[in-house]
Parts: sequence; structure tokens; C-alpha cells
Amino acid sequence: DQQVKQNSPSLSVQEGRISILNCDYTNSMFDYFLWYKKYPAEGPTFLISISSIKDKNEDGRFTVFLNKSAKHLSLHIVPSQPGDSAVYFCAASDSGNTPLVFGKGTRLSVIA
Amino acid sequence: GAVVSQHPSWVICKSGTSVKIECRSLDFQATTMFWYRQFPKQSLMLMATSNEGSKATYEQGVEKDKFLINHASLTLSTLTVTSAHPEDSSFYICSAISSYNQPQHFGDGTRLSIL
Repeated sequence: DQQVKQNSPSLSVQEGRISILNCDYTNSMFDYFLWYKKYPAEGPTFLISISSIKDKNEDGRFTVFLNKSAKHLSLHIVPSQPGDSAVYFCAASDSGNTPLVFGKGTRLSVIA
Repeated sequence: GAVVSQHPSWVICKSGTSVKIECRSLDFQATTMFWYRQFPKQSLMLMATSNEGSKATYEQGVEKDKFLINHASLTLSTLTVTSAHPEDSSFYICSAISSYNQPQHFGDGTRLSIL
């Protein structure tokens, strides 16, 4: 039973446009959500997080939106750059330092 | 930012060999470290949680005698794959966390290939 789902395995976006990566979760106990970016043969790099008391968190070109009632979060990257091409993992936990539950990832390709 | 170093990055060895992977937090003290495994095109799967000075907590289905975890200090955790076999070939990644509600920071992973 997958508690964190990223239903799009891949996404292609043109450079300069907005990339929207989606993530759904089933466990209502989750209260801390993160997005990680991963290049091949490297570990995931933390991008941005959001706690359940907020519905939006912004950091530069990256914004994460959380819709608790729909158990849905999304990562917006604008403007998208070729260097953003990577696999993006959504992760969740039910408190700050418990193990994360990861989605399967979405491969983003930003085309110049 | 927080840096986690994982070593070695790539190991190729014969079946039956034991392999030790190190995970170090370089610029912070890690109260908790996690070990994950990733198969191709799959998500990161948690193997175990390790707190400094105590026994690791293993996820269901992970053999604790096969995957030995030691977290002897606040900056170092090791994973030893004992008597490795080809089915243990995978990408192993560690992460570390300094305190509550801080993001986990990951090492670059170790690709283990057992011949």
C-alpha cells in the first residue's frame, strides 16, 4: 500500500515555463512534507518543505502548495531551467524526525 | 548547508564478501541516521533507523543479521552487508537529521554490485 504517490513518472517542460509536480498521500497522520531532487548516481538533495500548519511555502523559484483536505501537494518551479532536469521525490512523515515515506519520483526534463 | 558524506560510492565484490558502508555528517551532529535502499526505477525504501548509542530499528522484512548497523557516534553510522549475494546488489543511501522538524540530508549513495 503506497502511502505517498507520484502518479506521473515523467514530465517535460519547456525552458522558462512553469513545472508542476504533483504528489498525493493517504495517511492523514502525515504533517511534514518535503521535496527532494535527485541526479543519477547521487543522493537526494533537499529542496523545500512544508508543515501541515501552512498551505504554501516559497523559496526562490520553488513553491510548494499543500491541500490537506485533498491530501495533495504540488511543487511549482518557475521559470524552469535545463539544470532543473532531475528526478523529484515527494516525501512525508508524521513528525519531524521519523522516517520519511517517499513517492516513486517524477522525472522532470526541461527542454531548452 | 548540512553535508552528509557516504563512502565508498561504488563497490564491486564477490559473493560471500562482507561490505561496510560509512555515513558521516560533516558539519552537524546527527541524532538520527537512516539507511535506505533503492532499486532501479523504484522509490527509496527505508531499511532501518539508527540513533546514536542505541540499537537500530529495522523495518519489516529487513534482516538485522544481514544488514548490521552501528551508530557509535553523533557523526558516524555504518551499514555492513554481511555475506553479500547478488540479490543484495542495489543502491544504498544514508541520511542524517540533526533535530526535530529539520529535513533529512542525504549522502550520495553507494552502488553495491555483487558478482
